[in-house]
Amino acid sequence: GENVEQHPSTLSVQEGDSAVIKCTYSDSASNYFPWYKQELGKGPQLIIDIRSNVGEKKDQRIAVTLNKTAKHFSLHITETQPEDSAVYFCAMGTGTGFQKLVFGTGTRLLVSP
Amino acid sequence: GAGVSQSPSNKVTEKGKDVELRCDPISGHTALYWYRQSLGQGLEFLIYFQGNSAPDKSGLPSDRFSAERTGGSVSTLTIQRTQQEDSAVYLCASSLANRGNEQYFGPGTRLTVT
Repeated sequence: GENVEQHPSTLSVQEGDSAVIKCTYSDSASNYFPWYKQELGKGPQLIIDIRSNVGEKKDQRIAVTLNKTAKHFSLHITETQPEDSAVYFCAMGTGTGFQKLVFGTGTRLLVSP
Repeated sequence: GAGVSQSPSNKVTEKGKDVELRCDPISGHTALYWYRQSLGQGLEFLIYFQGNSAPDKSGLPSDRFSAERTGGSVSTLTIQRTQQEDSAVYLCASSLANRGNEQYFGPGTRLTVT
């Protein structure tokens, strides 16, 4: 079936370091890959997404890379700050219009000051 | 502007009772989605509505689950004869018609079945 594997499940870094989270997916037809940040007690917040016609997208300290051949994509956060601490989820769009999102199991990122 | 809102924020119910969860999407968003997040887990797709089209119900786990969307706006997720395994956070999201992939989530309803 359709699934997304996400690694690592937890990631601890020092403030100012970079953090990388990786996901692999099963549906080779998918063309939409968003990343969400979820803070405790809140709903997921869309932070960046990428479509299959590009290999990389950057927004300030956050970047996402996509390798369609290998079916994996990654989130890169540079110059991490304590407020980056949260659970991050990758997802893959499936179905008609790729509107149904299949999520990874999440990565808990802890940034220590 | 206002984001997606959900009510109630918390719901505790006894096993066997029916519950209704409400979602108010972002104004102007034509697509609406329901997901379920069990403790410490990722999000699981349940159902989505796109405009006036028939909803995609492919993620509903059993016939005890149903959802409707009235007037193309507010949606209600109903769980009949609740079971303990239904305990989870139920999240609603909405998106624009021409940006259907970009889904914006509400804060969720935490359902506890005792």
